[in-house]
Amino acid sequence: DTAVSQTPKYLVTQMGNDKSIKCEQNLGHDTMYWYKQDSKKFLKIMFSYNNKELIINETVPNRFSPKSPDKAHLNLHINSLELGDSAVYFCASSHGPGGTYEQYFGPGTRLTVT
Amino acid sequence: GESVGLHLPTLSVQEGDNSIINCAYSNSASDYFIWYKQESGKGPQFIIDIRSNMDKRQGQRVTVLLNKTVKHLSLQIAATQPGDSAVYFCAENSPSGGGADGLTFGKGTHLIIQP
Repeated sequence: DTAVSQTPKYLVTQMGNDKSIKCEQNLGHDTMYWYKQDSKKFLKIMFSYNNKELIINETVPNRFSPKSPDKAHLNLHINSLELGDSAVYFCASSHGPGGTYEQYFGPGTRLTVT
Repeated sequence: GESVGLHLPTLSVQEGDNSIINCAYSNSASDYFIWYKQESGKGPQFIIDIRSNMDKRQGQRVTVLLNKTVKHLSLQIAATQPGDSAVYFCAENSPSGGGADGLTFGKGTHLIIQP
């Protein structure tokens, strides 16, 4: 069974569109994250959610909004997509505060904005 | 600002040799460090971690060394195999009030194993 899964794996869309990426974890973790990896492989935290509360919101545009319907899911919604949003987006999860902090990553979603 | 960085972007080693990947960090408050391996087209995969109250930790074929005096972290891979070819990231989880922090990643080192 996949621990952290993301859909879709590839997403190609035009500028100005709105899209969503879904993430699910079956590890029973309390905290989930979204990371962005650019073309130079640099990984940067975007958001984290702990028990459905936003813990971190790095300086990302408000066009990006995480939504967590329950502890096992953290979806990423992106409005008015721009060329610069093209990247690979990774979902991750961990036990959260007081835990080991080891984060388990999903396979990634490669977003291409044309 | 605070950052985690790597000394070399690419490291090429012969199959069977030992590899050492280095990482410098600047946040003296960091208390947890992790090494991840990322193969092409996949997400980062946990390799080994170490807390700031330790200076060495060993896993299967891997060893992480932490030198808090000079803020240096290294990953040693023994008897490298073709499957070790990947990009390796060091990351730190600096403490904050919330506790549920994301990781700050270094830039990555591409390890190439030559036959």
